[in-house]
Amino acid sequence: AQSVTQPDIHITVSEGASLELRCNYSYGATPYLFWYVQSPGQGLQLLLKYFSGDTLVQGIKGFEAEFKRSQSSFNLRKPSVHWSDAAEYFCAVGANRDDKIIFGKGTRLHILP
Amino acid sequence: EPEVTQTPSHQVTQMGQEVILRCVPISNHLYFYWYRQILGQKVEFLVSFYNNEISEKSEIFDDQFSVERPDGSNFTLKIRSTKLEDSAMYFCASSEATAAAFFGQGTRLTVV
Repeated sequence: AQSVTQPDIHITVSEGASLELRCNYSYGATPYLFWYVQSPGQGLQLLLKYFSGDTLVQGIKGFEAEFKRSQSSFNLRKPSVHWSDAAEYFCAVGANRDDKIIFGKGTRLHILP
Repeated sequence: EPEVTQTPSHQVTQMGQEVILRCVPISNHLYFYWYRQILGQKVEFLVSFYNNEISEKSEIFDDQFSVERPDGSNFTLKIRSTKLEDSAMYFCASSEATAAAFFGQGTRLTVV
């Protein structure tokens, strides 16, 4: 069965600093991987996804993520965060493109001015 | 940009009452889902629906829950007799054959 681990519950960075949110997954075959963002009281917005091909994927809002099969990781990065990036970030894995998605517990990102 | 629409945004109901949560998926999508998020916890899969039938459901999705696509545009989740522990944010999602799921803004269900 698939599972997702986000080891950091909270992350605090200063505005303008770089960001990396960690995600490790467990799945026997090639996974379908996603990052979603949830602002307070809001729904889940898809930031980016990896299905196949180039292991470095670009998403919206200047985010990118890199799939590393050897490390079972799919870390999310942004070179320079903005105050509006403060939110909760969820990594997720699916077995197929249209399969259910299994979410991690999320990482809450705080931005210092 | 097309989006998944959920109504109502907030529903308060008494324990034991039936509730129906409504969703309008993106129009050309074929796969539909319900997820829930209990406050402070992670998002959990409830059920997936394709070709007018349930394709998968989790252990959370017991006999108290049902889903329906009553017409070409709506997708509903019914909870027959609500319990306090059903209080959560419920998300509807839809996807087409080659894309990730797009989520609605959620319905916050409060059972009192």
